[in-house]
Amino acid sequence: DIQMTQSPSSLSASIGDRVAVTCRASQVIGNSVAWYQHKPGKAPRLLLLATSRLESGVPSRFSGSGSGADYTLTISSLQPDDFATYYCQQYYAYPPTFGQGSKVEIK
Amino acid sequence: QLQLQESGSGLVRPSQTLSLTCAVSGDSISSSDFSWNWLRQPPGKGLEWIGHIDHLGTTFYTPSLKSRVTISVDRSKNQFSLNLASVTAADTAVYYCARVTENILRGVTFDFWGQGALVTVSS
Repeated sequence: DIQMTQSPSSLSASIGDRVAVTCRASQVIGNSVAWYQHKPGKAPRLLLLATSRLESGVPSRFSGSGSGADYTLTISSLQPDDFATYYCQQYYAYPPTFGQGSKVEIK
Repeated sequence: QLQLQESGSGLVRPSQTLSLTCAVSGDSISSSDFSWNWLRQPPGKGLEWIGHIDHLGTTFYTPSLKSRVTISVDRSKNQFSLNLASVTAADTAVYYCARVTENILRGVTFDFWGQGALVTVSS
């Protein structure tokens, strides 16, 4: 299975901050990366797919970049609704696999 | 508005079978546009994909669980189910059902999820 190593595991940030979360795959995964937002007790939400394509309804402050084995989710200006845990996922090969998550907390 | 809702036993004895159902509303489970998936997240760990079933009833499972997993569909109730046999404490997790839209441009990305159901394996 392809391993996805996500960092940091947690971070503290303030409203308006620029925040970045990275994900490193155990092999090249050809831009087949998705990012999810998850809040406690709620259904996870798909934010981006194909590295940088925003899912319908997702605010434009979320963006994705990367290539090869290294990928980044960036929130350009952190909003109160953005405090959550974020997961990367590769779908280059079966089985699809996820990172361990990055929890974004209020500073 | 699509909704997925997991239900089932929250406590399962070791060596028994875990059974969960995902009720789908707002979409037909028989549509060729989608596949229906199960995932789980053990406490303090990451998400793990378990398997899926498509509109033809074809199933595909993650290799590490393949010998113990069965996913099935009940079209009359618009729901699909997960059975996991011979459970141990390592199977304690929040279990999620999720949809994949069958589109080559979207790959295997999970665009709608249920809220999850905690299943504890304990005697």
